[in-house]
Amino acid sequence: AQTVTQSQPEMSVQEAETVTLSCTYDTSENNYYLFWYKQPPSRQMILVIRQEAYKQQNATENRFSVNFQKAAKSFSLKISDSQLGDTAMYFCAFMKHKSSGANSKLTFGKGITLSVRP
Amino acid sequence: DGGITQSPKYLFRKEGQNVTLSCEQNLNHDAMYWYRQDPGQGLRLIYYSQIVNDFQKGDIAEGYSVSREKKESFPLTVTSAQKNPTAFYLCASSILGGEAFFGQGTRLTVV
Repeated sequence: AQTVTQSQPEMSVQEAETVTLSCTYDTSENNYYLFWYKQPPSRQMILVIRQEAYKQQNATENRFSVNFQKAAKSFSLKISDSQLGDTAMYFCAFMKHKSSGANSKLTFGKGITLSVRP
Repeated sequence: DGGITQSPKYLFRKEGQNVTLSCEQNLNHDAMYWYRQDPGQGLRLIYYSQIVNDFQKGDIAEGYSVSREKKESFPLTVTSAQKNPTAFYLCASSILGGEAFFGQGTRLTVV
């Protein structure tokens, strides 16, 4: 079974600064997907970024980038130039690759609450 | 507009009653999921389905039931066997291996 661990329950960052959110996972699979989702106070879940395990290049989306370390099973999210609108819960998630066959469920970590200070 | 719709937004249940939460998507996604969210617990998977007429138990399926008679619909029934049903419920859909799209959630409260 796959597990996703987010060990930091809360973090705080000053506006315009950079913050890194940690995530580790455990799996015996070689092909899989990793995701970071954002849940603002509205509680609407929004995809931030996605990484495919077979791609060595780290994914980036504007101010958001990941540090994907496959051997270490680590998938951290870096937010640059933090903005007040980044205040939210952030969830790391894992899904087996579709080539692994059936039962590709999406497994989430417990999340981290990020507060951006003005 | 394409998307995933959950209803109702708020739901109140009396002790001993079954209630059904609706989830509909028009994204033509094969996979659909139900999650429960409690403070400090993250999102815990209740049930998921990858194809019509088939579904799998997640990590906390006890006290819940689902059906997948149509590709677009994946309703969740919270039965009287669920001892602590008060929570925020999220439905999601995806293509296999793709990002999940979420509904706006249903807040269920036992009164």
